[in-house]
Amino acid sequence: TQLLEQSPQFLSIQEGENLTVYCNSSSVFSSLQWYRQEPGEGPVLLVTVVTGGEVKKLKRLTFQFGDARKDSSLHITAAQPGDTGLYLCAGAISSGSARQLTFGSGTQLTVLP
Amino acid sequence: ETGVTQTPRHLVMGMTNKKSLKCEQHLGHNAMYWYKQSAKKPLELMFVYNFKEQTENNSVPSRFSPECPNSSHLFLHLHTLQPEDSALYLCASSQQPLAGGGETQYFGPGTRLLVL
Repeated sequence: TQLLEQSPQFLSIQEGENLTVYCNSSSVFSSLQWYRQEPGEGPVLLVTVVTGGEVKKLKRLTFQFGDARKDSSLHITAAQPGDTGLYLCAGAISSGSARQLTFGSGTQLTVLP
Repeated sequence: ETGVTQTPRHLVMGMTNKKSLKCEQHLGHNAMYWYKQSAKKPLELMFVYNFKEQTENNSVPSRFSPECPNSSHLFLHLHTLQPEDSALYLCASSQQPLAGGGETQYFGPGTRLLVL
């Protein structure tokens, strides 16, 4: 059973369009992170949200953590080809003696010039 | 620029081979991780090391054997793998083990493994 559902799985848009990617769960997370992974590379952290309802902006990217800390969204304004990549959300849960990150399966974004 | 390096970047091996993956972090971190990334599946945490001690083993088959000789180096020894073990194996490190407070993990570029 997948703990974190990401949608859509694939998204192909034209340069300049806006888009939103969703990350949903029935579990409550103490924090949630968004990563971007480019081909041949490991994931790179974009942002961490900790407080329910929190909104963070990173240039054209806006991240929101749900009030109940079960879901999150990533909105990109005026997408550019450089935004192309696999976007992963990851929620922090407690597991035994250490907390772990549980990852969603990702959204593959392609921005066409 | 990532401070986590992995070698080799690509590996093809037969089911009877023995090989090792290497990870090195130059960030002075205390925790290191092995993840498996398969097509269309979420990243799966395999092992966690904190100050060279293994703290998590997520029910990983014994054909995967980790080794952490010091806080900067992490190995994954592979033996009698199956074709379904083909995947991208990612190493990561963080200053402290993840505690839910938003610690940052830094990932290496991964080793693309193909088991024939």
